[in-house]
Amino acid sequence: SQQGEEDPQALSIQEGENATMNCSYKTSINNLQWYRQNSGRGLVHLILIRSNEREKHSGRLRVTLDTSKKSSSLLITASRAADTASYFCATVNTGGFKTIFGAGTRLFVKA
Amino acid sequence: EAGVTQFPSHSVIEKGQTVTLRCDPISGHDNLYWYRRVMGKEIKFLLHFVKESKQDESGMPNNRFLAERTGGTYSTLKVQPAELEDSGVYFCASSAGGNSPLHFGNGTRLTVT
Repeated sequence: SQQGEEDPQALSIQEGENATMNCSYKTSINNLQWYRQNSGRGLVHLILIRSNEREKHSGRLRVTLDTSKKSSSLLITASRAADTASYFCATVNTGGFKTIFGAGTRLFVKA
Repeated sequence: EAGVTQFPSHSVIEKGQTVTLRCDPISGHDNLYWYRRVMGKEIKFLLHFVKESKQDESGMPNNRFLAERTGGTYSTLKVQPAELEDSGVYFCASSAGGNSPLHFGNGTRLTVT
């Protein structure tokens, strides 16, 4: 891949449970972002974490970043059926301008 | 504000034909990107414009692909002649630059038969 990979590729959980998705990347980064995509639509930006940050929260979302392991995780707490979508991590390399995406994690939340 | 719009939403063409995809970014966004997703795989970077200039076109597959952004507003991506492996969803995104997030269009689903 161009940069990294999300893990797992697919995740199925019950409504109310927490969902955790992981992302690994290969190079030094300026920041890491998470996006969501509903079927047939474009990606929507969720949250950005800079390389000097370790954790960030936004509503029911919690993102962590470990630059020593070149990995990040996205936690969605108290999931809802409406959270069903594909989730992508994306990185901007140090000194770079382009944003590189992985293959995404497909999340299915059962009502 | 109006979002990023892409046209057409779907295109089905035969191998060897030409297709032109269009992207209208958010007004005022100097940065415009093209990406492609094939068969549920990674969203692959194609190229990046800053205004009318190509900042990075390292992801363009080959010389059958031509992207333009005349006047630094809308952009077109032409595939000529199209091959079967060009099928996929082509996304356009724009941003204000810096750490600003990308704003995506809904994509153009291209099917080459």
